[in-house]
Amino acid sequence: QQPVQSPQAVILREGEDAVINCSSSKALYSVHWYRQKHGEAPVFLMILLKGGEQKGHEKISASFNEKKQQSSLYLTASQLSYSGTYFCGTVVGDDKIIFGKGTRLHILP
Amino acid sequence: DTAVSQTPKYLVTQMGNDKSIKCEQNLGHDTMYWYKQDSKKFLKIMFSYNNKELIINETVPNRFSPKSPDKAHLNLHINSLELGDSAVYFCASSQLGTGGDEQFFGPGTRLTVL
Repeated sequence: QQPVQSPQAVILREGEDAVINCSSSKALYSVHWYRQKHGEAPVFLMILLKGGEQKGHEKISASFNEKKQQSSLYLTASQLSYSGTYFCGTVVGDDKIIFGKGTRLHILP
Repeated sequence: DTAVSQTPKYLVTQMGNDKSIKCEQNLGHDTMYWYKQDSKKFLKIMFSYNNKELIINETVPNRFSPKSPDKAHLNLHINSLELGDSAVYFCASSQLGTGGDEQFFGPGTRLTVL
């Protein structure tokens, strides 16, 4: 039931783009994306509700393909502040978020 | 103003002891949660409460007992602590709790059981 995230880790240079994928074996009500920096709490990025929408948040956007039960997070022109672990969380209708194992993103200057 | 606060931030204790973690939110939210993040950073829901009523109880050992005295507070009491309980415990809150609502996390409580 836990969503699968890929890749597990990414190293980028500042200014490069990244894509983080999240897939589920179950039909999804919504997908959540959070970022957690080392030693800190997870911070909300965005929610995508079923309907196949795409959302944007500054240079970070995400898509949700309801039929494929997949979501992707796009980070454009990455900044040093984007470093951290990105978690997708899926909701299958029982109102609880099941988080993936996370994708560690490290941005080099 | 801190939105979701937890105390203590660090907790070091011996196996077999009983300890509590407190959580308070000043966002006016109706739903509060406890999550456990283990050493591999896996973030797993434990409980959720909506307006003081238990909504989610995720196969957590009954040594863990949440208590919500009012909708702004959700405390976690742990009896007979075990080595495997060592983790970071996060409290969170959201307005609706329906899975379509962003959650605000507290700073976490790092529990170390010796």
